[in-house]
Amino acid sequence: GAVVSQHPSWVICKSGTSVKIECRSLDFQATTMFWYRQFPKQSLMLMATSNEGSKATYEQGVEKDKFLINHASLTLSTLTVTSAHPEDSSFYICSARQSGANVLTFGAGSRLTVL
Amino acid sequence: QQPVQSPQAVILREGEDAVINCSSSKALYSVHWYRQKHGEAPVFLMILLKGGEQKGHEKISASFNEKKQQSSLYLTASQLSYSGTYFCGTEWGSNTGKLIFGQGTTLQVKP
Repeated sequence: GAVVSQHPSWVICKSGTSVKIECRSLDFQATTMFWYRQFPKQSLMLMATSNEGSKATYEQGVEKDKFLINHASLTLSTLTVTSAHPEDSSFYICSARQSGANVLTFGAGSRLTVL
Repeated sequence: QQPVQSPQAVILREGEDAVINCSSSKALYSVHWYRQKHGEAPVFLMILLKGGEQKGHEKISASFNEKKQQSSLYLTASQLSYSGTYFCGTEWGSNTGKLIFGQGTTLQVKP
């Protein structure tokens, strides 16, 4: 079955630093990947649609200069949280879908804690 | 707009049944149901495509009423392992892969 890997699974950083989270489709190619953020006891909120070879499409209210998304290959999308602050602490999850499939595959998530 | 789930929380005894509803204000292409345990990623349960189908997986089934833009998840003879937060993810209009999730329904199954 389709597998999506996220790395790191957790990260702790100091305020003001940048953190990169990787999302890889291991056994399929994904022209589109999606990034979600989830705060404790809340729902998954779609942040952006990552498009291979082009700019990401951000949801309303998501700062594109703060959350940099790069989808340089058909199997890798990265989310960089720039100048992280404590309010950016959250669970970040990516998803991708195999071509022709209806079901989305989610990564295991990356828990970011900003001190 | 985020789909609306109801109820927000359910407490059951083992063996009891539950229904979780998901309503959308926009035309749906598909509805995806997930269960999430604390601290973990959501786990896929099932997908329903427009056409008003019903699907089942062991003691968990779901229906999709395209006319009403609603989906319901049915949990029968609940087990302790069913505890968690259930989310419906709605895909609007066409097959984009972009899911908008409801606020979640917390289910607690007690012995």
